[in-house]
Amino acid sequence: EAGVAQSPRYKIIEKRQSVAFWCNPISGHATLYWYQQILGQGPKLLIQFQNNGVVDDSQLPKDRFSAERLKGVDSTLKIQPAKLEDSAVYLCASSLASGQETQYFGPGTRLLVL
Amino acid sequence: AQKVTQAQTEISVVEKEDVTLDCVYETRDTTYYLFWYKQPPSGELVFLIRRNSFDEQNEISGRYSWNFQKSTSSFNFTITASQVVDSAVYFCALSEATDDKIIFGKGTRLHILP
Repeated sequence: EAGVAQSPRYKIIEKRQSVAFWCNPISGHATLYWYQQILGQGPKLLIQFQNNGVVDDSQLPKDRFSAERLKGVDSTLKIQPAKLEDSAVYLCASSLASGQETQYFGPGTRLLVL
Repeated sequence: AQKVTQAQTEISVVEKEDVTLDCVYETRDTTYYLFWYKQPPSGELVFLIRRNSFDEQNEISGRYSWNFQKSTSSFNFTITASQVVDSAVYFCALSEATDDKIIFGKGTRLHILP
């Protein structure tokens, strides 16, 4: 069974530029999550989708971050404009359903903002 | 409010030694779930175990074992006869039944020295 796919794996941009990340969850997984992991810390949830609807985006900085999950499968996370403090690894995860189902993670996208 | 504390920031042991990673959690819910994830240098979070609050039986999987004690709110992870490939950052996480979010600890970086 294929795991969670993410691209790109690495991205370097200058501050104030825009960037987008893509995630393809495990087939059949209804719930998709985006996390931000700053160096030396645990992952922090940015947004959670159940199919194509948003369940929780309380920690998403909505002035610059946006995410969508059209058709309830793939998802994109965008940052516009990027700030230096956005440098982090952006992890996508998926689970069969919501609740306390086990989340399976992708390899992440490592973003460096200069 | 839920909280996960991994007091050990970094641990180094020589190969073949046993090592225990500590995890202490806080929650007001009586139903909750605890997780351990491994994050090797490649960056992907690898699921290790999920345990619900009603199951206090210790679990063993090969060289890995977990000790869940509700009385001390701890869910410790032991690696027996450690190997270099065990070198990684290990995260303990908690999810309450009333909340879909998983809260991660800050992680413990484990170095297994040859």
